[in-house]
Amino acid sequence: AQRVTQPEKLLSVFKGAPVELKCNYSYSGSPELFWYVQYSRQRLQLLLRHISRESIKGFTADLNKGETSFHLKKPFAQEEDSAMYYCALGGITGGGNKLTFGTGTQLKVEL
Amino acid sequence: DTGVSQDPRHKITKRGQNVTFRCDPISEHNRLYWYRQTLGQGPEFLTYFQNEAQLEKSRLLSDRFSAERPKGSFSTLEIQRTEQGDSAMYLCASTLGGVEKLFFGSGTQLSVL
Repeated sequence: AQRVTQPEKLLSVFKGAPVELKCNYSYSGSPELFWYVQYSRQRLQLLLRHISRESIKGFTADLNKGETSFHLKKPFAQEEDSAMYYCALGGITGGGNKLTFGTGTQLKVEL
Repeated sequence: DTGVSQDPRHKITKRGQNVTFRCDPISEHNRLYWYRQTLGQGPEFLTYFQNEAQLEKSRLLSDRFSAERPKGSFSTLEIQRTEQGDSAMYLCASTLGGVEKLFFGSGTQLSVL
């Protein structure tokens, strides 16, 4: 079964401080990992995906298969980073595929 | 706005009533997903369509829930005999191809009194 764990419901950091949002997953196949973000009063949207190995808005995430983790990192937090962040796991089941989401971490960047 | 559109935005109903939600995906997207989200939780998968075919349905989904996507365009999600536990945000998402990038709608907030 697919499972995503985000241990922190709320993470509060000061502007300019480093950010790390934790995500661990459980999946028997070859995982596809994503981070989705929801800013206040906006729709849930894709932030980044592991296969792209890209940096979006200064955020990066590395897939660590040994530790089954996909933590989201940013060296210097900005006020506009305050949002709800969801880690998601994709996989092929029963002939189709879907995303399984974690419970989310609310990031609050304080001045 | 050419994004995913959901209607209505809010729905208040009494327990035992039937409700229907509509989702209009991005026009060229062949896959359409329904998710449910309750307070403090992430989106929970309900079902998905590829064109008009419903390819997967969550085992957690009660028989009171049914979804359709006639002609592979818009989709409807119906809940029969609503219960208070059905109160949630119902999200629709669409994509072209796989799950690499889902585009979400704003959701329908259901409150069952």
